[in-house]
Amino acid sequence: AQTVTQSQPEMSVQEAETVTLSCTYDTSENNYYLFWYKQPPSRQMILVIRQEAYKQQNATENRFSVNFQKAAKSFSLKISDSQLGDTAMYFCAFMKQKDNAGNMLTFGGGTRLMVKP
Amino acid sequence: DAGVTQSPTHLIKTRGQQVTLRCSPKSGHDTVSWYQQALGQGPQFIFQYYEEEERQRGNFPDRFSGHQFPNYSSELNVNALLLGDSALYLCASSLVGLLQETQYFGPGTRLLVL
Repeated sequence: AQTVTQSQPEMSVQEAETVTLSCTYDTSENNYYLFWYKQPPSRQMILVIRQEAYKQQNATENRFSVNFQKAAKSFSLKISDSQLGDTAMYFCAFMKQKDNAGNMLTFGGGTRLMVKP
Repeated sequence: DAGVTQSPTHLIKTRGQQVTLRCSPKSGHDTVSWYQQALGQGPQFIFQYYEEEERQRGNFPDRFSGHQFPNYSSELNVNALLLGDSALYLCASSLVGLLQETQYFGPGTRLLVL
């Protein structure tokens, strides 16, 4: 079974600064995907970024980027130029690679990020 | 492009009752997954439906059951409700065979069991 750990329950950052959220995972799989989801107070879970384990290049999406260290089983999220709208719960999630249906997400416990003006 | 929709948004039930939650997947998606999110925790996988069959199931009792219809929409049924079933229930849709790993979530149904 896979486990995902987010060791920072809460973090805060000043607007326009950079913040990094940590995530580690445990798996015996070699092919998998990793995700960061954002859940604002409105509670809708929004995909922020995803990473394929077979890709060495770190994924980036505008102000969001990841530092994927496969050997260390680490997958951190960096948010640059933080904005007030980034305030939310952030969840790291793992998914095994499968050819057909049956792909489940395993989530970490979340990190609550507050961006301060 | 319609996203994932869920109904109802909120629901209050009493212990022992039964509840049905509904989900319509994102346009073009054929797979629906259900998750339970207790307050302050990450979501937990309940089960996934594809081609009207349950393809994978998480560690949830048989009181939790589901169904997928030919139009890919899905229902989650919970029988004999317990206080501990109070949670946010999230539905996620995806497409088998093309970016299948990416699941898109609906806004959730908040269930309160009294």
